[in-house]
Amino acid sequence: NAGVTQTPKFRVLKTGQSMTLLCAQDMNHEYMYWYRQDPGMGLRLIHYSVGEGTTAKGEVPDGYNVSRLKKQNFLLGLESAAPSQTSVYFCASTLGDRGTETQYFGPGTRLLVL
Amino acid sequence: KQEVTQIPAALSVPEGENLVLNCSFTDSAIYNLQWFRQDPGKGLTSLLLIQSSQREQTSGRLNASLDKSSGRSTLYIAASQPGDSATYLCAVSGNQFYFGTGTSLTVIP
Repeated sequence: NAGVTQTPKFRVLKTGQSMTLLCAQDMNHEYMYWYRQDPGMGLRLIHYSVGEGTTAKGEVPDGYNVSRLKKQNFLLGLESAAPSQTSVYFCASTLGDRGTETQYFGPGTRLLVL
Repeated sequence: KQEVTQIPAALSVPEGENLVLNCSFTDSAIYNLQWFRQDPGKGLTSLLLIQSSQREQTSGRLNASLDKSSGRSTLYIAASQPGDSATYLCAVSGNQFYFGTGTSLTVIP
């Protein structure tokens, strides 16, 4: 049972390039989330999904897109990377209703946009 | 918008000391509050989850309390050890999760 995994672990992009971050969970969780963590600002929710085929915006969705084609995978896309998107990105999942469940986090993806 | 604050931002204590970490939030309409541990360069590990109807939860040397009406939670760590050194974050769950910026704890041997 690997829990929540994220690919890649680290990436350097140039401004304007695109990339996709992959999150996978093997716990059969319904809910999945993408956060970014920046110094002094804590974790902020980018997008989330309440089930396969669904997505919703979080607190800071601009510049990002997501897809949940399979229950176990949640993809975060940057269409045209900007230096302001330099951050550490975390994926998380919960079994059911986010109000009652513990969140399980992946190890993070460090992204540097030059 | 929910605001979550953790004070102090950093804390150093000698090994064996009992300590309390604080978390405050502005909107009491929450479903639960969670405490997490984050080691440098790593993801978050859930330590304790307190449902909004509960007052406290315990796990080993950790005890978390919740006073929803006053918008406060504390994480009590008994008999601290060097292995407890990490950043501790609290998060509240309303329409989404809101995180504090964390308290960086150093336990000195």
